Amino acid sequence: DAGVTQTPRHEVAEKGQTIILKCEPVSGHNDLFWYRQTKIQGLELLSYFRSKSLMEDGGAFKDRFKAEMLNSSFSTLKIQPTEPKDSAVYLCASSFRGAETLYFGSGTRLTVL
Amino acid sequence: GDSVTQKQGQVTLSEDDFLFINCTYSTTTYPTLLWYVQYPGQGPQLLLKVTTANNKGISRGFEATYDKGTTSFHLQKASVQESDSAVYFCALVPDTNAYKVIFGKGTHLHVLP
Repeated sequence: DAGVTQTPRHEVAEKGQTIILKCEPVSGHNDLFWYRQTKIQGLELLSYFRSKSLMEDGGAFKDRFKAEMLNSSFSTLKIQPTEPKDSAVYLCASSFRGAETLYFGSGTRLTVL
Repeated sequence: GDSVTQKQGQVTLSEDDFLFINCTYSTTTYPTLLWYVQYPGQGPQLLLKVTTANNKGISRGFEATYDKGTTSFHLQKASVQESDSAVYFCALVPDTNAYKVIFGKGTHLHVLP
């Protein structure tokens, strides 16, 4: 079975640009999560979908971050406008249900200049 | 609130050494406790999971025991290999309906050949 697929693997953006990161969850999984990973903050939850419905929109992140799930097999994370502090690895994860067993993608490393 | 503490940021061992990574947690619930492992360039992957129904988890030679008395969930392995070099995260899911995982900051294990 295919795991979680994230594209692109690397993204370089200028400050102020709009970037869109993509995620394909494991087939048949109902829940999808977007995380940000940095050395200082560790893993931070950005968004959570259950059966395509947005259940968590990231609180402090919702200002410039928007996650969407257009269908059960595809999700995007838009950052608009980007800032240098957004430089991090963005991870997508999926599960059949809940957070006890997450399957993570390999992530997108974003660098904002 | 719920929290997970990993005090060891980095551990360096030689092959065949004994591994012990410390993890303590704080919660008012009966959580599921998890260890994730993250290899370079990959997302975290679930290593082992322990619930209140079973006190010990064992996977790929790694072992962790859920100790409610000391609120600890330490990770152990009798004999590490160079291929075990990775970052290890202790994590807590407050209950089966929860979607938020409380991750520790991670412990970077470096095994020398």
